[in-house]
Amino acid sequence: EPEVTQTPSHQVTQMGQEVILRCVPISNHLYFYWYRQILGQKVEFLVSFYNNEISEKSEIFDDQFSVERPDGSNFTLKIRSTKLEDSAMYFCASSEFSGGVTEAFFGQGTRLTVV
Amino acid sequence: AQTVTQSQPEMSVQEAETVTLSCTYDTSESDYYLFWYKQPPSRQMILVIRQEAYKQQNATENRFSVNFQKAAKSFSLKISDSQLGDAAMYFCASPNRDDKIIFGKGTRLHILP
Repeated sequence: EPEVTQTPSHQVTQMGQEVILRCVPISNHLYFYWYRQILGQKVEFLVSFYNNEISEKSEIFDDQFSVERPDGSNFTLKIRSTKLEDSAMYFCASSEFSGGVTEAFFGQGTRLTVV
Repeated sequence: AQTVTQSQPEMSVQEAETVTLSCTYDTSESDYYLFWYKQPPSRQMILVIRQEAYKQQNATENRFSVNFQKAAKSFSLKISDSQLGDAAMYFCASPNRDDKIIFGKGTRLHILP
């Protein structure tokens, strides 16, 4: 069964450093998303991406964050100058159609710990 | 704004019994989807079941079924014959027109042996 793959599964970084979280969406999917979940809290939308551009972003997704699809398979989330409060589980998701039409498939998540 | 509300932070059920997790939502859309996701201790997000709002028939997937009450904007998940592997966080979710999935706060389900 096709799946969304995220690497690494766990990333520890020093405060102020830059991190790149990587995702390989399902190959025929066109819509890509990043969500985050701070420990014990709800899952929060960060950004959606379609046709090589951001289609929607939340207030969390400020200038510290950026997304990129550098080639035909990877979808990355870059966090510049990480802060302690960026520690969370980050989920990548992809869907064949827009989220209102079909389900989004989620990756297993990357646990980011900022120290 | 679209909202999804889960009013039960935690629930427990005896193994082999049936449990129902509640969810209410608010949307101005006439056609939409509703999902239940399961998040086990591994922290993955796994789709359990989905319901299309224009379908009157409640969705069913093996031991999982929903009670969809469109007028009341209610979307509860029923788990029959609960198993130890069902222990997880369960999130009710609904996409909005901007391709953003709105999640509830989750219900942590404990299965008692």
